[in-house]
Amino acid sequence: AQTVTQSQPEMSVQEAETVTLSCTYDTSENNYYLFWYKQPPSRQMILVIRQEAYKQQNATENRFSVNFQKAAKSFSLKISDSQLGDTAMYFCAFMKHEGYSTLTFGKGTMLLVSP
Amino acid sequence: DVKVTQSSRYLVKRTGEKVFLECVQDMDHENMFWYRQDPGLGLRLIYFSYDVKMKEKGDIPEGYSVSREKKERFSLILESASTNQTSMYLCASSLSGPRGSNQPQHFGDGTRLSIL
Repeated sequence: AQTVTQSQPEMSVQEAETVTLSCTYDTSENNYYLFWYKQPPSRQMILVIRQEAYKQQNATENRFSVNFQKAAKSFSLKISDSQLGDTAMYFCAFMKHEGYSTLTFGKGTMLLVSP
Repeated sequence: DVKVTQSSRYLVKRTGEKVFLECVQDMDHENMFWYRQDPGLGLRLIYFSYDVKMKEKGDIPEGYSVSREKKERFSLILESASTNQTSMYLCASSLSGPRGSNQPQHFGDGTRLSIL
């Protein structure tokens, strides 16, 4: 079984600054996917970024990037130039590469971006 | 864009009632999922389905059942609602990619269910 741990229940950052959200996971799989999902207050869960474990290059989507350390089983999310609209709950999630495509989620980190 | 629609945004039911939560997706996805979300616990998988009439238990199936009679629709059923089933329920769907290539899940807006 897989486990995903997000050790920061809450974080805060000021607009335009950079913030990093932490995620560690445990698995015996060699090939898998990792995701960061964002859930704004009272709104839909949306996919922020996806990393395939067999790719060494860290994924990047505009202001969002990850630091994927496979040996350490670490998958942090960096948000650059934070905006008020980034205020949300962020979930780290694990999915096997093959078989049932179920997600294992961490407990989430609430990020508050202030002016 | 993928559209996953949950029939109710908010729902209030009474203890012992049979409750149906409906989810419809419009992208011909094979896989559909039901999660519950509770503060401090993240999302936990209740049931999922990888094909019509097929279902698999997730991590917390007790007290729930599901139905998938058509590919686009996946229903979650609380057979006899209890107060500890008060929660946010999220439906998701995903495409079955080529072998060895699971695809991301797309989520609905959620149903906030209160059992009184």
